[in-house]
Amino acid sequence: DAKTTQPTSMDCAEGRAANLPCNHSTISGNEYVYWYRQIHSQGPQYIIHGLKNNETNEMASLIITEDRKSSTLILPHATLRDTAVYYCIVLKTSYDKVIFGPGTSLSVIP
Amino acid sequence: NAGVTQTPKFQVLKTGQSMTLQCAQDMNHEYMSWYRQDPGMGLRLIHYSVGAGITDQGEVPNGYNVSRSTTEDFPLRLLSAAPSQTSVYFCASSYSARGGMETQYFGPGTRLLVL
Repeated sequence: DAKTTQPTSMDCAEGRAANLPCNHSTISGNEYVYWYRQIHSQGPQYIIHGLKNNETNEMASLIITEDRKSSTLILPHATLRDTAVYYCIVLKTSYDKVIFGPGTSLSVIP
Repeated sequence: NAGVTQTPKFQVLKTGQSMTLQCAQDMNHEYMSWYRQDPGMGLRLIHYSVGAGITDQGEVPNGYNVSRSTTEDFPLRLLSAAPSQTSVYFCASSYSARGGMETQYFGPGTRLLVL
């Protein structure tokens, strides 16, 4: 499975867009990019996923580069409740061993 | 639906003791898994199951046993607890469809302290 690298931490002003990068340079053609987040003391929560095309849902947007070696999760209008650790992972199928790295700790500042 | 439930929420063990962490889901999910979370290391997969009667090892399976006798339940057993197993344990389940990881649900976690 491809490994991912993310910055350890980031800050974002409340109301601004939060852009969280992820590198997955060894991703295979049939591997999806998934994003989860974990708010303190809670279990991880699914945010969004994609294969090649950019994706958007009610929570966020996912921008995947054309070579698929990196992606960016965008929270368009960050709120204090978006303060969490964000994980970028790559998976082939739902039976994959889901491996989470350390993630990015996002702090949304008033 | 209750979703994914885990018991207990907190547990303190002495080295060498055994215990079982319970996990149950009422969503008829085929895929279930156990993770442990330690500071600065994200979540690491311990064991997983793709259906009743089928289990497999994850990244860090040593010291843990699992079984899947029913679709609903996926208990994690520590046969002889060690201080290195102090961690927060999360159980998760998801629908079995390919590409269906977006439906993975996590339980609230069990905090375990081994003295």
